[in-house]
Amino acid sequence: EVQLLESGGGLVQPGGSLRLSCAASGFSFGNYAMSWVRQAPGKGLEWVSVISAGGSTFYADSVKGRFTVSRANSQNTVFLQMNSLRPEDTAIYYCAKCADYSASSAIFSWGQGALVTVPS
Amino acid sequence: EIVLTQSPATLSLSPGEGATLSCRASQRVGSYLAWYQQKPGQAPRLIIYDASNRATGIPARFTGSGSGTDFTLTISSLEPEDFAVYYCQQRSNWPLTFGGGTKVEIK
Repeated sequence: EVQLLESGGGLVQPGGSLRLSCAASGFSFGNYAMSWVRQAPGKGLEWVSVISAGGSTFYADSVKGRFTVSRANSQNTVFLQMNSLRPEDTAIYYCAKCADYSASSAIFSWGQGALVTVPS
Repeated sequence: EIVLTQSPATLSLSPGEGATLSCRASQRVGSYLAWYQQKPGQAPRLIIYDASNRATGIPARFTGSGSGTDFTLTISSLEPEDFAVYYCQQRSNWPLTFGGGTKVEIK
C-alpha cells in the first residue's frame, strides 16, 4: 500500500523559510516522479512542483525562484524547500506520487498534507 | 497557462440521481485529463486518469469521457459517499493546472 507522510509544516513569518519532507513507502520510490500540490484554506487545488525519477524539476510560476524540490532516493523521501515565504503561500501542502517516472505523468496517490501558515 | 473551467460550481442532487460534471480547457489537452474527488478534511483521491480510465478501486458508476477541450465526469447513480468536491486537472502543458472544482451536494 502506498503511504506518503508529510512533515515539517508550521507557522513561519513572512520572508522566512521552511522545508517540507515527504516519507514514502509501499512502492519503489526511485522509479516514480513525485509532486507537490497545495490548497489554501477554503480554496481549490494548486499544483506547485514536481520532480521526475531522473531529477528533472518543474515549478508553478507563483513559486519559481523561491521553492526547490529535491529527492533522496536512499531515504525514500522528497523535499520541498520554501524560501521567501509570503502570506499567500499559506496552505495545506500535499505530497503526491505520480503514475510513473515522468514529471508529466498523472498524479495517482496523495499524502494527508502538511499545513504551512504565513501570517500577514 | 491552460485554464480549466468547471461547471456547474455546485450541483444539488439526491442519492440515486445521476450527475454530470463538465470541465472545459482553454487549449487542447488531448486526453491528458484527470478527475479527483475531495471530501471535507481529506486529501484528494484520483477517480479518473487520461480522460476515461478509472483508477484502482473506483466503482463503475464513475465514467470519464471527452478529449481535446471538453470533458465530462458522469456519476450514474449517486451514493451517499459520492457527495464531495470534484476537480479536473490537465497534464498536457506546463504548468499543470486544476479546475476550480464542482461541489456535489445533497439536495
